[in-house]
Amino acid sequence: NAGVMQNPRHLVRRRGQEARLRCSPMKGHSHVYWYRQLPEEGLKFMVYLQKENIIDESGMPKERFSAEFPKEGPSILRIQQVVRGDSAAYFCASSPETGVSSPLHFGNGTRLTVT
Amino acid sequence: AQSVTQLDSHVSVSEGTPVLLRCNYSSSYSPSLFWYVQHPNKGLQLLLKYTSAATLVKGINGFEAEFKKSETSFHLTKPSAHMSDAAEYFCVVIPRGTGFQKLVFGTGTRLLVSP
Repeated sequence: NAGVMQNPRHLVRRRGQEARLRCSPMKGHSHVYWYRQLPEEGLKFMVYLQKENIIDESGMPKERFSAEFPKEGPSILRIQQVVRGDSAAYFCASSPETGVSSPLHFGNGTRLTVT
Repeated sequence: AQSVTQLDSHVSVSEGTPVLLRCNYSSSYSPSLFWYVQHPNKGLQLLLKYTSAATLVKGINGFEAEFKKSETSFHLTKPSAHMSDAAEYFCVVIPRGTGFQKLVFGTGTRLLVSP
């Protein structure tokens, strides 16, 4: 039973390019979360999605960032016109249902470097 | 807003000696509290969680934590450190009423274990 799969593991982009980060949740999980970890900091919540719906995006920057979780395929976090400050590790997590007691499984992250 | 404070950015111990990682939470009522571990270049793994049942919570790999309401603390302990315990540890809270896993992370404590 594969865990949460994120790809790519490492992504390098020049300023102004687009970054697309993919997350395949665990089998049977329909709830996906994205977190960002800036250097030397803890993780910060970005967005919570269920299939085809954004439930809470209160942690997403207002501009350039978007997320989706289509009916088929992985969840995508998209960052347009990247800047140096976007350099961070982006973690995806999934759970089988909502609620604070539902187990949350994290992927190994995508490390984005903006040059 | 609910938050957690990890009092030490780094803790160094010798293999075989006890581990104490400190965490205080801010809340006027019992929150949901967690400890997660992050090994280098890996995702996060849940060590243990407190959700208002027993105040002494046992987790994986010999770790445990005690919820002390009078001290607003949730310190992580282990009787005897192992080299494989070297990692980053995060104290985490889910604000009451959130309804889903909108984790609020502490800044982390890096545990160093020497032979």
